[in-house]
Amino acid sequence: AQSVAQPEDQVNVAEGNPLTVKCTYSVSGNPYLFWYVQYPNRGLQFLLKYITGDNLVKGSYGFEAEFNKSQTSFHLKKPSALVSDSALYFCAVRDRTGANNLFFGTGTRLTVIP
Amino acid sequence: SQTIHQWPATLVQPVGSPLSLECTVEGTSNPNLYWYRQAAGRGLQLLFYSVGIGQISSEVPQNLSASRPQDRQFILSSKKLLLSDSGFYLCAWSVVGGTKNEKLFFGSGTQLSVL
Repeated sequence: AQSVAQPEDQVNVAEGNPLTVKCTYSVSGNPYLFWYVQYPNRGLQFLLKYITGDNLVKGSYGFEAEFNKSQTSFHLKKPSALVSDSALYFCAVRDRTGANNLFFGTGTRLTVIP
Repeated sequence: SQTIHQWPATLVQPVGSPLSLECTVEGTSNPNLYWYRQAAGRGLQLLFYSVGIGQISSEVPQNLSASRPQDRQFILSSKKLLLSDSGFYLCAWSVVGGTKNEKLFFGSGTQLSVL
């Protein structure tokens, strides 16, 4: 069975500081991994995905994520946080060999403090 | 370009009343379609997905049902709403037939309050 864990419900970071939003996953084979962002009262927007190859994936709005197979993690990072980055972030996983559905974590609310 | 429309944006319904949420996709053919629910303070739960007209897969047993009467139309329904059906419902689509690394495109969501 596939699952995703986001251990932190809330992450606070000062503007200009680096940010990390944590994600670990569990799948039976090799995963496809995704990060989505949800701004207030809106749907989700795709940020980035890991398919294969380079473990460091770069995405929208300056975000990047590092795939670590040994730790089964896919943490989202940004070198310098902006107030506008404040939102709800979701990690998601899909098994390459399983069904076509996408499993999401419970979300992490990021607040960037001016 | 592809767009996804979901309505209504907000809905307040009494317990026991029926529900119909509609989602349509434009600019693409034969998409995979999904319904997710986001309960307050919780993650997204996949409710249904569809790989074609009339083909519905349900992920969890529940009070809800889904239908896909047309290629780009996905409807979420209930005959009698429960309080526990309250939440934020999101429709999404992705390319079908490709690899499973395709991303999902989400609608703007429907906030359902059952009172």
